[in-house]
Amino acid sequence: DAGVIQSPRHEVTEMGQEVTLRCKPISGHDYLFWYRQTMMRGLELLIYFNNNVPIDDSGMPEDRFSAKMPNASFSNLKIQPSEPRDSAVYFCASSLAGAGRTPEAFFGQGTRLTVV
Amino acid sequence: KNQVEQSPQSLIILEGKNCTLQCNYTVSPFSNLRWYKQDTGRGPVSLTIMTFSENTKSNGRYTATLDADTKQSSLHITASQLSDSASYICVPTEGGQNFVFGPGTRLSVLP
Repeated sequence: DAGVIQSPRHEVTEMGQEVTLRCKPISGHDYLFWYRQTMMRGLELLIYFNNNVPIDDSGMPEDRFSAKMPNASFSNLKIQPSEPRDSAVYFCASSLAGAGRTPEAFFGQGTRLTVV
Repeated sequence: KNQVEQSPQSLIILEGKNCTLQCNYTVSPFSNLRWYKQDTGRGPVSLTIMTFSENTKSNGRYTATLDADTKQSSLHITASQLSDSASYICVPTEGGQNFVFGPGTRLSVLP
């Protein structure tokens, strides 16, 4: 497996524009997480899904952020409208739960978002 | 609220030297604890994992310790290499899939 795949790797956009970040989890994994990382706040959990269903979105900063997982192999995170304070690296991670398993989050390479 | 504190915030050492990174956490209920290594521009990668019943685990030059009673963990790096330069993140897990990420320690290994 190629691991968690995120696209794009870098995104530069103007304030007010819509931004869409994409993630393909590791095949067979049943959990998917979206994180945001900044120097000031470190890694912050935004939302996570289990079997394509959103479980906890309490980390989503505000209504401008939304995330969907239409199927087991794809998720997207949208920001509309984007603001300069949204500039950060956004990571997607996936993991596999199950009896006897110790969960591990496998991370993608991240998308570096810059909003100017 | 679950919290993780790591120290030092940053560390600079010379190649070949040893170092120890510290982690204090207040995650409850506690399931297990991982140390992740994050190279610049890349996602974090797991180095070690310990459950509450384990108090030490090694992975090559990395040795992690865990004291579940005092809620403390450490990561010891032996004979550091330039490639060890990275951020090291302590991640206790609450329950099943609730990974609580610490702020990380930024390690720089100089030649």
